[in-house]
Amino acid sequence: QVQLVQSGAEVKNPGASVKVSCQASGYTFSVYYIHWLRQAPGKGLEWLGWINPNSGGTRYAQKFHGRVTMTRDTSINTAYMDLSRLTSDDTAVYYCAKDGYCTTTNCPGIGENWFDPWGQGTLVTVSS
Amino acid sequence: QSVLTQPPSASGTPGQRVTISCSGSNSDIGSHSVYWYQHLPGTAPKLLIYRNYQRPSGVPDRFSGSKSGTSASLAISGLRSEDEAHYYCAAWDNSLGVWVFGGGTKLTVL
Repeated sequence: QVQLVQSGAEVKNPGASVKVSCQASGYTFSVYYIHWLRQAPGKGLEWLGWINPNSGGTRYAQKFHGRVTMTRDTSINTAYMDLSRLTSDDTAVYYCAKDGYCTTTNCPGIGENWFDPWGQGTLVTVSS
Repeated sequence: QSVLTQPPSASGTPGQRVTISCSGSNSDIGSHSVYWYQHLPGTAPKLLIYRNYQRPSGVPDRFSGSKSGTSASLAISGLRSEDEAHYYCAAWDNSLGVWVFGGGTKLTVL
């Protein structure tokens, strides 16, 4: 079955960077976009952006431009999300999710796709 | 503050029907499909409804979605204890250029 397994919890100091991994199995990794989302304690879900695992092309939410970098290693079916200049506001559970519709060769339009399935989540705590 | 507006809580007794609303604007729900996710604490969120009313395989037909204008709703009939979870609506927002979500509705089965 399709599965996304994320790396373990992280504790970081303010100003540091964190890199979260997301290993996919059960499908051809290079075919479907991978999204990254987060949920801060007591708050709603927030979309950070997505990566085309085939080309490495990315689209980031404006809010995170300059701080987030999404990459992938197709040899091990793994996507990565790197967030720099961390503050306490970045304390959250970070999720990767496979796009349920858009493939890297056919994506009629963003907004008609969805997140399915999701990884189990990675808690990132930013604290001094 | 979340872009899409959901009630923070909802409740019902086993067997009842409950609905959860999701209100947006012309740039999100008014222009794009709505999606619903179920989130049980400590687990990964799960896709419940896609493209306004479509159910993925494996999702019981007790769950149904609808959309009208800039609002959408999720209905759960024949409420069961295992339905107790947080429910989130989502849509793409043209103006913001991001996926936007509701703040989530915590469903309690009494």
